Amino acid sequence: TQLLEQSPQFLSIQEGENLTVYCNSSSVFSSLQWYRQEPGEGPVLLVTVVTGGEVKKLKRLTFQFGDARKDSSLHITAAQPGDTGLYLCGGTIAQKLVFGQGTRLTINP
Amino acid sequence: GAVVSQHPSRVICKSGTSVKIECRSLDFQATTMFWYRQFPKKSLMLMATSNEGSKATYEQGVEKDKFLINHASLTLSTLTVTSAHPEDSSFYICSARDHRSIQFFGPGTRLTVL
Repeated sequence: TQLLEQSPQFLSIQEGENLTVYCNSSSVFSSLQWYRQEPGEGPVLLVTVVTGGEVKKLKRLTFQFGDARKDSSLHITAAQPGDTGLYLCGGTIAQKLVFGQGTRLTINP
Repeated sequence: GAVVSQHPSRVICKSGTSVKIECRSLDFQATTMFWYRQFPKKSLMLMATSNEGSKATYEQGVEKDKFLINHASLTLSTLTVTSAHPEDSSFYICSARDHRSIQFFGPGTRLTVL
């Protein structure tokens, strides 16, 4: 059983379009992180959300933490080919960081 | 952000040999480090929690005698894959947790067992 359900797992869109990736769970997390991973490299931290209802923006990326701290979303505006990669949500529970399945995003020029 | 290194980045070994992978936090101290395994096109699977000065805590289904973890200092954890077999081939990634409880990941180690 996956503790964190991430969707969609694969997404291929055209440059300039918007997209949203979801991360859902029935568990409450003390914090949730979003990472981006390139092939053959380790994940790179994008953002950490801690407070229920929190919204953080990182240029064209908007991250939201659900009020109940069970879910989160990542919205990308006007996607660019450089956004291509594997996006991972990770939730901290019992002081361990566990990951969803990941979303493999491809932005086509 | 904080920097975590791993060594080696790639290793190829023969079946039956043991391989040691090092994980270092370069600019901060980490009492807790974590080891993950990642299969091709899959997400990261937590293998174990490495605690400085004490025994590692393994996730269900991970053999502690197969994957030996040592966390001898606040900046170094090692993972030794003992008697490696082809099914142990994978991408192994470590992370280190800083004083704010944020985890930073190493660049990973690609292990290929022939």
